[in-house]
Amino acid sequence: AQSVTQPDIHITVSEGASLELRCNYSYGATPYLFWYVQSPGQGLQLLLKYFSGDTLVQGIKGFEAEFKRSQSSFNLRKPSVHWSDAAEYFCAVASSGGSYIPTFGRGTSLIVHP
Amino acid sequence: GAVVSQHPSRVICKSGTSVKIECRSLDFQATTMFWYRQFPKQSLMLMATSNEGSKATYEQGVEKDKFLINHASLTLSTLTVTSAHPEDSSFYICSASDVASTEAFFGQGTRLTVV
Repeated sequence: AQSVTQPDIHITVSEGASLELRCNYSYGATPYLFWYVQSPGQGLQLLLKYFSGDTLVQGIKGFEAEFKRSQSSFNLRKPSVHWSDAAEYFCAVASSGGSYIPTFGRGTSLIVHP
Repeated sequence: GAVVSQHPSRVICKSGTSVKIECRSLDFQATTMFWYRQFPKQSLMLMATSNEGSKATYEQGVEKDKFLINHASLTLSTLTVTSAHPEDSSFYICSASDVASTEAFFGQGTRLTVV
């Protein structure tokens, strides 16, 4: 069975600082990997996704993520955080074969200090 | 990108009544729809997966008779919470994908409060 671990429940950064949110997955083959962002009381917005090819993936809002097979990781990064980036971030993994049914991590809450 | 509209965004109902939540794909045909429940400060818990014209597949522990899911068309799925109780209060989110897509698109969620 596939699973996702987001080890950090909360991350606090200062505005303008760099950001890295961690995500580790468990899956038998090459997975589909996703990062979503959720603002309070809202649904999920896709930031970026990895299916195959280049392991460094660029997303919206200046985010990027790197797939590292050897570490089973898909960490999300941003070089300079803005106050509007404060939100809940979810990493998800889906099977690369068959029906697309994602499994979500528990989420990481990003707090941005001015 | 594809748009999924979920309605209502907030609903308050009395214990014992039923409430229906709609999930619509506005610009694509949603062959598969997913319903999630999210508790405060927690992740999304998949409740069920529905394919158009078929019965929904429920996850273990989800009561089929309590959470009725209908996916009668390629653009609409509904979740009906029957005989609602305060413990059913939660944030419900739908997502939808089409046959060619390798991702799902999410609705904005529905905050259900049962009083």
